[in-house]
Amino acid sequence: DAGVTQSPTHLIKTRGQQVTLRCSPKSGHDTVSWYQQALGQGPQFIFQYYEEEERQRGNFPDRFSGHQFPNYSSELNVNALLLGDSALYLCASSLRGFNTEAFFGQGTRLTVV
Amino acid sequence: AQSVAQPEDQVNVAEGNPLTVKCTYSVSGNPYLFWYVQYPNRGLQFLLKYITGDNLVKGSYGFEAEFNKSQTSFHLKKPSALVSDSALYFCAVRVLRGGSYIPTFGRGTSLIVHP
Repeated sequence: DAGVTQSPTHLIKTRGQQVTLRCSPKSGHDTVSWYQQALGQGPQFIFQYYEEEERQRGNFPDRFSGHQFPNYSSELNVNALLLGDSALYLCASSLRGFNTEAFFGQGTRLTVV
Repeated sequence: AQSVAQPEDQVNVAEGNPLTVKCTYSVSGNPYLFWYVQYPNRGLQFLLKYITGDNLVKGSYGFEAEFNKSQTSFHLKKPSALVSDSALYFCAVRVLRGGSYIPTFGRGTSLIVHP
């Protein structure tokens, strides 16, 4: 079982550009969540996808969007990048439900210059 | 507002001594509580969870946590710390929002175990 895999591991982008991050969930998991973790902070919830639809969204602007594919993999897109978007972006997969733990990928380190 | 707090930015403990990493929560309704560990430049790894039942929950790598409803706490503990336990620890509470259960994470506590 490969667990949760994210790509790329590191990325450098210029302000104003757009970026796409990818995530493959753990085998058998149907729910994917994305988090932003700034340096020295806990993960902040961006949004969650289930059955190819965005089910919940945290306090992030519309510049952050996503997609889930029929095979449950997911993408996070960020438009019009700001310096403040520099962070570790974490993908987590789980089974839908309140008592299931999330399995995290190793993250994508995004640096905006 | 539903939230979770980790009052200590850093905890220092000598190898072989017991360790405690503190977490308090504020939620309406039943809390669903989790502990995760993060090693440098890695994602988070699940340690243990409390959903219901016994207040003492046992998890991975010898860790355990005690749920205390009256004190709204869920402290992480280990009887004997190892140097390899040094990492960043996150407490999370899962809150019901619009039909989905969304985890809210604390800021994290850096655990340093000295040889």
